[in-house]
Amino acid sequence: TQLLEQSPQFLSIQEGENLTVYCNSSSVFSSLQWYRQEPGEGPVLLVTVVTGGEVKKLKRLTFQFGDARKDSSLHITAAQPGDTGLYLCAGNTGRRALTFGSGTRLQVQP
Amino acid sequence: NAGVTQTPKFRVLKTGQSMTLLCAQDMNHEYMYWYRQDPGMGLRLIHYSVGEGTTAKGEVPDGYNVSRLKKQNFLLGLESAAPSQTSVYFCASSPQGTGFTDTQYFGPGTRLTVL
Repeated sequence: TQLLEQSPQFLSIQEGENLTVYCNSSSVFSSLQWYRQEPGEGPVLLVTVVTGGEVKKLKRLTFQFGDARKDSSLHITAAQPGDTGLYLCAGNTGRRALTFGSGTRLQVQP
Repeated sequence: NAGVTQTPKFRVLKTGQSMTLLCAQDMNHEYMYWYRQDPGMGLRLIHYSVGEGTTAKGEVPDGYNVSRLKKQNFLLGLESAAPSQTSVYFCASSPQGTGFTDTQYFGPGTRLTVL
Protein backbone atom coordinates (compact mmCIF):
# COMPACT_ATOMS: atom_id res chain seq x y z
CA THR A 1 0.00 0.00 0.00
CA GLN A 2 1.42 3.34 -1.07
CA LEU A 3 1.59 5.88 1.72
CA LEU A 4 1.38 8.61 -0.90
CA GLU A 5 -1.10 8.22 -3.75
CA GLN A 6 -0.58 10.31 -6.86
CA SER A 7 -3.17 10.96 -9.52
CA PRO A 8 -3.48 10.74 -12.36
CA GLN A 9 -0.84 8.12 -13.13
CA PHE A 10 -0.55 9.23 -16.75
CA LEU A 11 -1.48 12.47 -18.46
CA SER A 12 -1.08 13.38 -22.11
CA ILE A 13 -2.03 16.91 -23.09
CA GLN A 14 -1.48 19.45 -25.85
CA GLU A 15 0.93 22.36 -25.53
CA GLY A 16 -0.78 25.36 -23.94
CA GLU A 17 -3.24 23.39 -21.81
CA ASN A 18 -3.42 23.62 -18.02
CA LEU A 19 -3.22 20.63 -15.71
CA THR A 20 -3.25 19.66 -12.05
CA VAL A 21 -1.53 16.71 -10.42
CA TYR A 22 -2.52 15.48 -6.97
CA CYS A 23 -0.67 13.84 -4.11
CA ASN A 24 -2.82 12.42 -1.30
CA SER A 25 -2.26 10.55 1.94
CA SER A 26 -4.00 9.64 5.17
CA SER A 27 -0.83 10.58 7.04
CA VAL A 28 0.27 14.01 8.18
CA PHE A 29 3.58 15.22 6.79
CA SER A 30 5.98 17.65 8.38
CA SER A 31 7.07 18.64 4.88
CA LEU A 32 6.40 17.63 1.32
CA GLN A 33 8.57 17.89 -1.76
CA TRP A 34 7.95 17.71 -5.49
CA TYR A 35 10.56 16.30 -7.85
CA ARG A 36 10.68 16.03 -11.63
CA GLN A 37 12.48 13.18 -13.31
CA GLU A 38 13.42 13.05 -16.99
CA PRO A 39 14.12 9.78 -18.83
CA GLY A 40 17.50 8.30 -17.95
CA GLU A 41 18.14 10.74 -15.12
CA GLY A 42 17.60 11.00 -11.39
CA PRO A 43 14.83 13.11 -9.83
CA VAL A 44 15.50 16.82 -9.36
CA LEU A 45 13.87 18.83 -6.58
CA LEU A 46 11.33 21.46 -7.68
CA VAL A 47 9.97 22.71 -4.36
CA THR A 48 9.56 22.00 -0.65
CA VAL A 49 6.39 23.01 1.23
CA VAL A 50 6.27 23.02 4.99
CA THR A 51 3.29 24.99 6.28
CA GLY A 52 -0.32 23.85 5.94
CA GLY A 53 -2.06 25.92 3.24
CA GLU A 54 1.26 27.10 1.82
CA VAL A 55 1.35 28.06 -1.86
CA LYS A 56 4.59 28.35 -3.81
CA LYS A 57 5.08 29.41 -7.40
CA LEU A 58 7.90 28.46 -9.71
CA LYS A 59 7.32 30.24 -13.04
CA ARG A 60 4.29 28.41 -14.55
CA LEU A 61 4.16 25.83 -11.75
CA THR A 62 2.05 26.39 -8.62
CA PHE A 63 2.40 24.09 -5.63
CA GLN A 64 -0.05 23.92 -2.75
CA PHE A 65 0.18 22.09 0.56
CA GLY A 66 -3.15 21.10 2.10
CA ASP A 67 -4.32 22.81 5.27
CA ALA A 68 -4.07 19.52 7.19
CA ARG A 69 -0.67 18.72 5.62
CA LYS A 70 -1.99 15.42 4.23
CA ASP A 71 -2.13 16.35 0.56
CA SER A 72 -0.59 18.55 -2.08
CA SER A 73 -1.22 19.63 -5.64
CA LEU A 74 0.88 20.80 -8.55
CA HIS A 75 -0.76 23.02 -11.15
CA ILE A 76 0.96 23.79 -14.46
CA THR A 77 -0.28 26.69 -16.54
CA ALA A 78 0.16 26.69 -20.32
CA ALA A 79 2.13 23.46 -20.40
CA GLN A 80 5.10 23.20 -22.74
CA PRO A 81 6.90 20.15 -24.20
CA GLY A 82 9.78 20.88 -21.81
CA ASP A 83 7.43 20.07 -18.91
CA THR A 84 7.32 16.44 -20.04
CA GLY A 85 8.55 14.07 -17.36
CA LEU A 86 7.70 12.05 -14.27
CA TYR A 87 6.49 14.16 -11.36
CA LEU A 88 7.06 12.68 -7.92
CA CYS A 89 5.84 13.88 -4.57
CA ALA A 90 7.75 12.88 -1.45
CA GLY A 91 6.72 13.35 2.14
CA ASN A 92 8.52 13.39 5.43
CA THR A 93 6.66 12.04 8.47
CA GLY A 94 9.42 12.84 10.94
CA ARG A 95 11.54 9.82 10.10
CA ARG A 96 14.99 10.20 8.67
CA ALA A 97 14.02 9.36 5.09
CA LEU A 98 11.44 10.46 2.57
CA THR A 99 8.49 8.43 1.33
CA PHE A 100 7.86 8.80 -2.38
CA GLY A 101 4.63 8.55 -4.31
CA SER A 102 4.40 6.41 -7.44
CA GLY A 103 4.51 9.42 -9.72
CA THR A 104 2.53 11.08 -12.50
CA ARG A 105 3.92 10.69 -15.98
CA LEU A 106 3.21 13.82 -18.03
CA GLN A 107 3.52 14.02 -21.80
CA VAL A 108 3.04 17.42 -23.43
CA GLN A 109 2.49 17.19 -27.17
CA PRO A 110 3.70 20.11 -29.34
CA ASN B 1 31.94 19.48 -8.86
CA ALA B 2 30.41 16.24 -10.19
CA GLY B 3 27.62 15.94 -7.58
CA VAL B 4 26.47 12.34 -7.19
CA THR B 5 27.94 9.72 -9.50
CA GLN B 6 27.03 6.05 -9.85
CA THR B 7 29.01 3.14 -11.26
CA PRO B 8 28.14 1.22 -13.39
CA LYS B 9 25.38 2.73 -15.54
CA PHE B 10 24.14 -0.63 -16.82
CA ARG B 11 24.65 -4.22 -15.74
CA VAL B 12 23.24 -7.62 -16.63
CA LEU B 13 23.60 -10.44 -14.11
CA LYS B 14 22.62 -14.06 -14.02
CA THR B 15 20.57 -15.35 -11.10
CA GLY B 16 22.85 -16.09 -8.16
CA GLN B 17 25.67 -13.78 -9.21
CA SER B 18 26.87 -11.01 -6.93
CA MET B 19 27.78 -7.40 -7.61
CA THR B 20 28.44 -4.07 -5.94
CA LEU B 21 27.05 -0.71 -7.01
CA LEU B 22 29.17 2.28 -6.14
CA CYS B 23 27.86 5.73 -5.28
CA ALA B 24 30.16 8.69 -4.78
CA GLN B 25 29.37 12.30 -3.80
CA ASP B 26 31.73 15.27 -3.67
CA MET B 27 29.46 17.66 -1.73
CA ASN B 28 30.57 16.58 1.75
CA HIS B 29 27.03 15.45 2.54
CA GLU B 30 26.34 13.51 5.73
CA TYR B 31 23.32 11.50 4.55
CA MET B 32 23.28 9.03 1.69
CA TYR B 33 20.48 6.81 0.37
CA TRP B 34 19.89 3.89 -1.98
CA TYR B 35 16.52 3.60 -3.75
CA ARG B 36 15.11 1.28 -6.34
CA GLN B 37 12.57 2.44 -8.91
CA ASP B 38 10.13 0.04 -10.52
CA PRO B 39 7.27 0.88 -12.91
CA GLY B 40 4.21 2.08 -11.02
CA MET B 41 5.99 1.84 -7.66
CA GLY B 42 7.84 5.13 -7.46
CA LEU B 43 11.07 5.22 -5.48
CA ARG B 44 11.44 2.80 -2.57
CA LEU B 45 14.18 3.21 0.00
CA ILE B 46 16.50 0.21 0.37
CA HIS B 47 19.10 1.40 2.90
CA TYR B 48 20.43 4.72 4.06
CA SER B 49 23.31 6.14 6.06
CA VAL B 50 23.37 9.11 8.43
CA GLY B 51 27.15 9.37 8.43
CA GLU B 52 30.43 7.60 7.86
CA GLY B 53 30.41 4.13 9.40
CA THR B 54 26.62 4.00 9.87
CA THR B 55 23.88 2.25 7.93
CA ALA B 56 20.16 1.66 8.47
CA LYS B 57 17.41 -0.34 6.79
CA GLY B 58 14.80 1.32 4.65
CA GLU B 59 11.52 0.06 3.26
CA VAL B 60 12.84 -2.85 1.13
CA PRO B 61 16.22 -3.99 2.55
CA ASP B 62 16.00 -7.75 1.99
CA GLY B 63 18.60 -9.16 -0.41
CA TYR B 64 20.83 -6.09 -0.18
CA ASN B 65 23.74 -5.01 1.99
CA VAL B 66 25.45 -1.63 2.23
CA SER B 67 28.61 -0.10 3.58
CA ARG B 68 29.77 3.48 4.23
CA LEU B 69 33.45 3.18 5.04
CA LYS B 70 34.21 6.65 3.68
CA LYS B 71 31.95 9.68 3.94
CA GLN B 72 31.90 10.25 0.21
CA ASN B 73 31.10 6.66 -0.82
CA PHE B 74 28.04 4.45 -0.28
CA LEU B 75 28.16 0.90 -1.64
CA LEU B 76 25.17 -1.32 -2.36
CA GLY B 77 25.80 -5.06 -2.60
CA LEU B 78 23.73 -7.88 -3.99
CA GLU B 79 25.10 -11.17 -2.66
CA SER B 80 22.94 -13.50 -4.74
CA ALA B 81 20.98 -11.67 -7.41
CA ALA B 82 17.38 -12.64 -8.15
CA PRO B 83 15.15 -11.63 -11.09
CA SER B 84 12.99 -9.64 -8.61
CA GLN B 85 15.97 -7.32 -8.18
CA THR B 86 15.76 -6.19 -11.79
CA SER B 87 15.26 -2.45 -11.40
CA VAL B 88 16.78 0.98 -11.74
CA TYR B 89 18.83 1.87 -8.68
CA PHE B 90 19.32 5.46 -7.58
CA CYS B 91 21.71 6.84 -5.03
CA ALA B 92 21.07 10.18 -3.35
CA SER B 93 22.74 12.37 -0.78
CA SER B 94 21.68 15.28 1.43
CA PRO B 95 23.51 17.62 3.81
CA GLN B 96 21.45 16.36 6.75
CA GLY B 97 18.36 14.31 7.41
CA THR B 98 15.19 15.07 5.48
CA GLY B 99 13.39 15.90 8.68
CA PHE B 100 14.93 19.29 8.13
CA THR B 101 13.34 19.67 4.66
CA ASP B 102 16.67 18.96 3.08
CA THR B 103 17.14 18.59 -0.65
CA GLN B 104 18.17 15.16 -1.83
CA TYR B 105 20.57 15.14 -4.77
CA PHE B 106 20.24 12.10 -6.98
CA GLY B 107 22.70 10.29 -9.19
CA PRO B 108 21.86 9.27 -12.77
CA GLY B 109 20.91 5.71 -11.85
CA THR B 110 22.10 2.17 -12.56
CA ARG B 111 19.89 -0.05 -14.70
CA LEU B 112 20.26 -3.64 -13.49
CA THR B 113 18.79 -6.68 -15.22
CA VAL B 114 18.89 -10.10 -13.56
CA LEU B 115 18.25 -13.00 -15.90
